[in-house]
Amino acid sequence: QSALTQPPSASGSPGQSVTIPCTGTSSDVGGYNFVSWYQQHPGKAPKLMIYEVSKRPEGVPDRFSGSKSGNTASLTVSGLQAEDEADYYCSSYAGSNNWVFGGGTKLTVL
Amino acid sequence: QMQLVESGGGVVQPGGSLRLSCAASGFTFSSYGMHWVRQAPGKGLEWVAFIRSDGTDKYYADSVRGRFTISRDNSKNTLYLQLNSLRTDDTSVFYCARDWGWGFAIRGQGTLVTVSS
Repeated sequence: QSALTQPPSASGSPGQSVTIPCTGTSSDVGGYNFVSWYQQHPGKAPKLMIYEVSKRPEGVPDRFSGSKSGNTASLTVSGLQAEDEADYYCSSYAGSNNWVFGGGTKLTVL
Repeated sequence: QMQLVESGGGVVQPGGSLRLSCAASGFTFSSYGMHWVRQAPGKGLEWVAFIRSDGTDKYYADSVRGRFTISRDNSKNTLYLQLNSLRTDDTSVFYCARDWGWGFAIRGQGTLVTVSS
């Protein structure tokens, strides 16, 4: 159960767009359309932002979008706002009833 | 509105045991698979265990298999995690989560388990 690979940090100015990649293998990200993304503010619980690669739960702004190409999934935050500053984690189903997470990316709004 | 409230955490010595609970409300608990996810202090998220909606099948991360046991009581809308043979590296906040499109819908604040002598 190897972790997915995310950059430790990302940044953007208000109003800009930023994309966070999440790289796995053909056994997880590349093998299933079951990638999800989580936002976590300091001291708070993680919040599901994207599931099944690109679906948004009710209440998540459409500024947040997900995609996948091969073994790499991506989260794009458009029209950056100050409240988007948080840690973001990706996760993927990895087959055989196992799930793996990425190490997390700290998004800074400049 | 879906709610999940974790409880049962605390301080325990290495080798000790704890039982965590997660009280669910606002959705049909018996219709959904449930997970436990944990987060060590200052670290990332780690999937721990999954149980199917009817409790018949249970799955575990390699790091906890043989030490932790997930269970559920659908009549009480409650999910459990029995933690045995605890190690210092098990120190974490434990979150319960409803399966949501093969992801994790977390609604509570988690419960902190500290393993220390």
